[in-house]
Amino acid sequence: DAGITQSPRHKVTETGTPVTLRCHQTENHRYMYWYRQDPGHGLRLIHYSYGVKDTDKGEVSDGYSVSRSKTEDFLLTLESATSSQTSVYFCAISHPPTTGLSYEQYFGPGTRLTVT
Amino acid sequence: AQKVTQAQTEISVVEKEDVTLDCVYETRDTTYYLFWYKQPPSGELVFLIRRNSFDEQNEISGRYSWNFQKSTSSFNFTITASQVVDSAVYFCALADLYGQNFVFGPGTRLSVLP
Repeated sequence: DAGITQSPRHKVTETGTPVTLRCHQTENHRYMYWYRQDPGHGLRLIHYSYGVKDTDKGEVSDGYSVSRSKTEDFLLTLESATSSQTSVYFCAISHPPTTGLSYEQYFGPGTRLTVT
Repeated sequence: AQKVTQAQTEISVVEKEDVTLDCVYETRDTTYYLFWYKQPPSGELVFLIRRNSFDEQNEISGRYSWNFQKSTSSFNFTITASQVVDSAVYFCALADLYGQNFVFGPGTRLSVLP
């Protein structure tokens, strides 16, 4: 199993407050991702990173920012949380397909965020 | 834009029946990657299989098999002799040629009844 942890695992916060979720990996995977999972939508990509300080937007990036200052850490920040951001957030890691390594994603355990 | 469609929202079968989960994808890339993931009731996401666009060989792993057909842009998943432990939500996913921009289908919830 890939070593991926997410913190916190559960959080309840109020509308308008900033929230930061952390993803930490011990597997030295170059790519990291943040998804949100909502009923009826499957997993939707928020942001991804293809290296330290290299990030890009996914399908649902509005209201979210990310940072990656170290290979092992990928932070997701909600600058001002809204009720529509209540969701389960998953972090994932993978290798680039050109490396010859397995390129599937491995997922963290998820963070359940409730914005009241 | 990339898109993955899983038309079956929910499927219910009786144990030992065979079941096929459909996945249809859209992409303009000639190189792309396809995946299936399982999410059991406990919530974790479990990788099942990957396939690149140049490898159209079907694959069998125990009771699981996958049928990749580029001509119909489909990557279907069949469980033979289903078991109660197969009950989960199954997601099909598509990644671009860089293996970066992943798109997941909405998932198919499979319930296997004893």
